[in-house]
Amino acid sequence: GDSVTQMEGPVTLSEEAFLTINCTYTATGYPSLFWYVQYPGEGLQLLLKATKADDKGSNKGFEATYRKETTSFHLEKGSVQVSDSAVYFCALSESAVEYGNKLVFGAGTILRVKS
Amino acid sequence: DTGVSQNPRHKITKRGQNVTFRCDPISEHNRLYWYRQTLGQGPEFLTYFQNEAQLEKSRLLSDRFSAERPKGSFSTLEIQRTEQGDSAMYLCASSFRLSGRSHNEQFFGPGTRLTVL
Repeated sequence: GDSVTQMEGPVTLSEEAFLTINCTYTATGYPSLFWYVQYPGEGLQLLLKATKADDKGSNKGFEATYRKETTSFHLEKGSVQVSDSAVYFCALSESAVEYGNKLVFGAGTILRVKS
Repeated sequence: DTGVSQNPRHKITKRGQNVTFRCDPISEHNRLYWYRQTLGQGPEFLTYFQNEAQLEKSRLLSDRFSAERPKGSFSTLEIQRTEQGDSAMYLCASSFRLSGRSHNEQFFGPGTRLTVL
């Protein structure tokens, strides 16, 4: 079945450091790929998405590129802030109708940013 | 607030008791999903509805679990004879499915945290 593997945390960075959180996937068909973020005490929020190979999703300074050849969707940000401290989840959703667009999540990566 | 809401936010129960959770999706969203999230893990799919029809159930959803969406609006998730292994965060999400689109964004509620003693 489909699966998502992301780097284990916690990742601890100083403010303004460069961030990379690795994510690789296994899928049957042609999935859409997502990064969700969960801030302390809040629900999951969609951070960015990409629906086909070579697409780049971006939002709030975060970027991720859909790499079909390496089955990866790594999350990057050039300069993190304390307010970026959260849990980040990589996820996929098969596009074929019969899959119902259900999301398959990775285990999550805790990011802690120190001032 | 027009987001997805879930009630209760927290539930503590004794093993063997029945519990029911409610999810109110964003108005006019025709799809509703339930996920379960245990500590240190990502959410896992349980089941989903399109309007009032339950279209898929995960093998994680044992016979003790039942979900309904009677009028295609709110949904309930019931767990009968709870076990300690049912302790988790139960998340609800909704989306608006447009035919021909490969994916429609899911909006998540804050979750119901269940603790089974």
